[in-house]
Amino acid sequence: DAGVTQSPTHLIKTRGQQVTLRCSPKSGHDTVSWYQQALGQGPQFIFQYYEEEERQRGNFPDRFSGHQFPNYSSELNVNALLLGDSALYLCASSRRPGTSNQPQHFGDGTRLSIL
Amino acid sequence: AQSVTQPDIHITVSEGASLELRCNYSYGATPYLFWYVQSPGQGLQLLLKYFSGDTLVQGIKGFEAEFKRSQSSFNLRKPSVHWSDAAEYFCAVGDPYSGGGADGLTFGKGTHLIIQP
Repeated sequence: DAGVTQSPTHLIKTRGQQVTLRCSPKSGHDTVSWYQQALGQGPQFIFQYYEEEERQRGNFPDRFSGHQFPNYSSELNVNALLLGDSALYLCASSRRPGTSNQPQHFGDGTRLSIL
Repeated sequence: AQSVTQPDIHITVSEGASLELRCNYSYGATPYLFWYVQSPGQGLQLLLKYFSGDTLVQGIKGFEAEFKRSQSSFNLRKPSVHWSDAAEYFCAVGDPYSGGGADGLTFGKGTHLIIQP
């Protein structure tokens, strides 16, 4: 049973560029959440997707956007990259909010470095 | 707004000794509570969770945590640590009135655990 998978593992971009990160949820999960973890910090919630719609959003600018596909996989897009966007981006999957008290399962993350 | 405080940035424990990692939360009611562990270069692994009921919860790898409503705390404990327990530990809270455990979580800044031989 595959867990949450993320790609790529590492990515290097320059300021002003755009990036797309990808996530496949754990089998049986239909909800995907994205988190940003800066060095030495705890993860911060970016947003959550369920039924192909953004359901919840943390305190992140509109440069951060996402998408969920019919197979429940998800993408995180970041436009106009800033140096401060350098971080580990974590994807977490779970079952539909409110239907069961199931915790989120995390992938190993994508390490994004901005030069 | 909910928040999580992990007062200890680093903790050093000798192998075989007991461990307690502190977590305090700020929330209007009783939130859902979680402890996750992160090894270098890895994602987060769930150690244990509290939703309701018995305030002492058992997790994986011999960890347990106790929810104390009066202290707004959810401290993680282990009676005897192993060298493989060296990692970063995160406490997190979730809103039980929206998505529950599947909701966007609020994390503390983490405690780095160092194990001395």
